[in-house]
Amino acid sequence: SQTIHQWPATLVQPVGSPLSLECTVEGTSNPNLYWYRQAAGRGLQLLFYSVGIGQISSEVPQNLSASRPQDRQFILSSKKLLLSDSGFYLCAWSLQGRGEKLFFGSGTQLSVL
Amino acid sequence: AQSVSQHNHHVILSEAASLELGCNYSYGGTVNLFWYVQYPGQHLQLLLKYFSGDPLVKGIKGFEAEFIKSKFSFNLRKPSVQWSDTAEYFCAVKPANAGGTSYGKLTFGQGTILTVHP
Repeated sequence: SQTIHQWPATLVQPVGSPLSLECTVEGTSNPNLYWYRQAAGRGLQLLFYSVGIGQISSEVPQNLSASRPQDRQFILSSKKLLLSDSGFYLCAWSLQGRGEKLFFGSGTQLSVL
Repeated sequence: AQSVSQHNHHVILSEAASLELGCNYSYGGTVNLFWYVQYPGQHLQLLLKYFSGDPLVKGIKGFEAEFIKSKFSFNLRKPSVQWSDTAEYFCAVKPANAGGTSYGKLTFGQGTILTVHP
């Protein structure tokens, strides 16, 4: 069966520090991968998606970047965090061609202070 | 671009009460519609979805949703809630027939927290 792992669960970082959130998927090959963010009082917003290794599409301009160094690994990064980067970050995957059903990770609560 | 609005931030009910969570979207074309649910301590998961056909769709755990195209709505309902339905519910929309890299590019509402008291 397929599983998705996302870590850490919570993170408190000072403004200006770097960020690295990691997500891995097991039990499937060549998935579509996504990073979503939920800011306080707002809906889930798609940040990045990837249909293959090294292929990253950004949905909104921001202080963050994503990378996919391996087929089932998706990393969300920042060189210098801003206060506005605080939020709940969710990694998700879907089967190629079956993107209507997303499988979400457990999320990372990021607080930038 | 599409957008989704969920009317209630927090709904509190007693067991056996009926539930209706509102969801409205804005988009000029055909859409696929979804309800996702996140139970305490669990991952966000798909509750039900509408692609085409019968506008009344049934999901897991006795939930259903009705797509009313003229009202741009996709409200979630359950005749009799249980304590175990306590969770956060998200409505989402995706342009229909979006192929390739558009898959999975859902736009979510703000979420509605449902608390059911025993």
